[in-house]
Amino acid sequence: TQLLEQSPQFLSIQEGENLTVYCNSSSVFSSLQWYRQEPGEGPVLLVTVVTGGEVKKLKRLTFQFGDARKDSSLHITAAQPGDTGLYLCAAGLQGGSEKLVFGKGTKLTVNP
Amino acid sequence: DVKVTQSSRYLVKRTGEKVFLECVQDMDHENMFWYRQDPGLGLRLIYFSYDVKMKEKGDIPEGYSVSREKKERFSLILESASTNQTSMYLCASSLVSGAKGEQFFGPGTRLTVL
Repeated sequence: TQLLEQSPQFLSIQEGENLTVYCNSSSVFSSLQWYRQEPGEGPVLLVTVVTGGEVKKLKRLTFQFGDARKDSSLHITAAQPGDTGLYLCAAGLQGGSEKLVFGKGTKLTVNP
Repeated sequence: DVKVTQSSRYLVKRTGEKVFLECVQDMDHENMFWYRQDPGLGLRLIYFSYDVKMKEKGDIPEGYSVSREKKERFSLILESASTNQTSMYLCASSLVSGAKGEQFFGPGTRLTVL
């Protein structure tokens, strides 16, 4: 059973378009992170959200944590080719586990 | 800045060889992790260590072992490499969690077993 479902799995858009990717679960999480991974590299942490309803902005990226702490979204405004990569969400289960659950990722391609 | 390094970016080994993958972090993190990443399967946890000489099996420990003799170093060992262990191997570290549990990853080792 996949605890974290990411959608869409693949997304190919033109430079300048907006997009939203989703990370959903039936479980409640203590925290949720978003990572970006470029081909041949390790994931790089973008943001962590911990409070239900929390919204964080990182330049053109907006991250939202659902009120019930079961889901999250990442919105990119005016996408650029440099945004191309695999976007992974990861979550810490309640109860203080040191381990994270990872989604399978959304592979984003932004064409010039 | 947080820094996690892995001993090799690319590695080619033969079936049956013993393979060592090393990971070093300079952030004084207690927790260290080894994952493998395969297309369509995402990141899967192989082993986790929460302290020196302490380890815990992850979701797919079969065919692997680990060693943590020093806090900053976590080694993954393939006792007898097989072709189905061809994969991208990622090491990560984190502080003992409060609410966040943020993990910091190395650049990965692309292992090919022939």
